[in-house]
Amino acid sequence: AQSVAQPEDQVNVAEGNPLTVKCTYSVSGNPYLFWYVQYPNRGLQFLLKYITGDNLVKGSYGFEAEFNKSQTSFHLKKPSALVSDSALYFCAVRVTGGFKTIFGAGTRLFVKA
Amino acid sequence: DSGVTQTPKHLITATGQRVTLRCSPRSGDLSVYWYQQSLDQGLQFLIQYYNGEERAKGNILERFSAQQFPDLHSELNLSSLELGDSALYFCASSVADSLRIEAFFGQGTRLTVV
Repeated sequence: AQSVAQPEDQVNVAEGNPLTVKCTYSVSGNPYLFWYVQYPNRGLQFLLKYITGDNLVKGSYGFEAEFNKSQTSFHLKKPSALVSDSALYFCAVRVTGGFKTIFGAGTRLFVKA
Repeated sequence: DSGVTQTPKHLITATGQRVTLRCSPRSGDLSVYWYQQSLDQGLQFLIQYYNGEERAKGNILERFSAQQFPDLHSELNLSSLELGDSALYFCASSVADSLRIEAFFGQGTRLTVV
């Protein structure tokens, strides 16, 4: 079955420290991977995507993600966290067939000042 | 602002009732997606329309239906509402029906069934 897993419900990090939000996937064929962020009472906002090519993808707000085919992972990273990065982060994979986009359960990021 | 507009923002209704949620996609976007977000189920894909035609179906109950109109706006109809239907319903749009492109989300309609 095709799936996306975000193994951490919550990630806590101090402002200025690097952050990582983990995502692993299971799909047949080539994966198209996305990260979205959701702020309170808002819709999801697109951060970045991996389609093909360079395994390190850069996105909005200083975020980047590394695609690792052998580990079937697509972890979201940022070198220096900001308090304003505190939000709910979703990893998603787009697949062929009836369930076009599968979202992970989400990881809540708390950045402490 | 994503450019995707959803109305109403909040809706409170009683069990057994029927409601309609409305979505206006970004200008030029042909694809519309509907999602349900609840605490226990997470973000679930419901249905997708592309240029007026149903393109993909997800975990959508038979009590729910949707359509996309010629002007590309979409409506999600929820009937015989149950307490468990209380959730945040998102609409998203994208310019084409491609797995490679991202979708832009509206701010959602929070439905409360009492």
